[in-house]
Amino acid sequence: GAGVSQSPSNKVTEKGKDVELRCDPISGHTALYWYRQRLGQGLEFLIYFQGNSAPDKSGLPSDRFSAERTGESVSTLTIQRTQQEDSAVYLCASSLDPSPVEKLFFGSGTQLSVL
Amino acid sequence: GENVEQHPSTLSVQEGDSAVIKCTYSDSASNYFPWYKQELGKRPQLIIDIRSNVGEKKDQRIAVTLNKTAKHFSLHITETQPEDSAVYFCAASRRGSNFGNEKLTFGTGTRLTIIP
Repeated sequence: GAGVSQSPSNKVTEKGKDVELRCDPISGHTALYWYRQRLGQGLEFLIYFQGNSAPDKSGLPSDRFSAERTGESVSTLTIQRTQQEDSAVYLCASSLDPSPVEKLFFGSGTQLSVL
Repeated sequence: GENVEQHPSTLSVQEGDSAVIKCTYSDSASNYFPWYKQELGKRPQLIIDIRSNVGEKKDQRIAVTLNKTAKHFSLHITETQPEDSAVYFCAASRRGSNFGNEKLTFGTGTRLTIIP
């Protein structure tokens, strides 16, 4: 079936504007993750969902960041009042859980540029 | 929480030689250690993983070793080829019925370049 889909693939916004990033996980995957990857850097955890609830949102960098998931499917990551330091690739991943292993299937990411 | 450190940050290897990337972790309860490969402009993909009940796992030219006592694990790539050039990320998490679902904590990545 289809893989993890993210939209938009690229987003250019002005400082101070709000942005919404969307993730469509693989059908049937109960776990969904958001990671941030700054240029040349590693994968920084933001939040994960089990079903529609978020047991771990410890990686959200500030209260400008929020995320929700509905129907145990689509998730949106919202960044309010964007700042230049928010510029990064935002990666979504899903996995089949419960499972003794945690193979994450990543989307191709949203490249966010804040001018 | 878990902290994963990865070394080196960059690595250049002559084609045909071996490459080794090392990671350490802080949480002794971590029991699952995957490695992801990210080619330029592409999404990370799982290439191999190991659970804490084994010390080594091989898959063709790649292998991962785990030392639970020292809390470190390594990726070994033998007979390197140009297509092995990519960024490699190690990760760690706790998995199993006692822990439920926990996030993967990633290392900072190693940019591997294979020199033809």
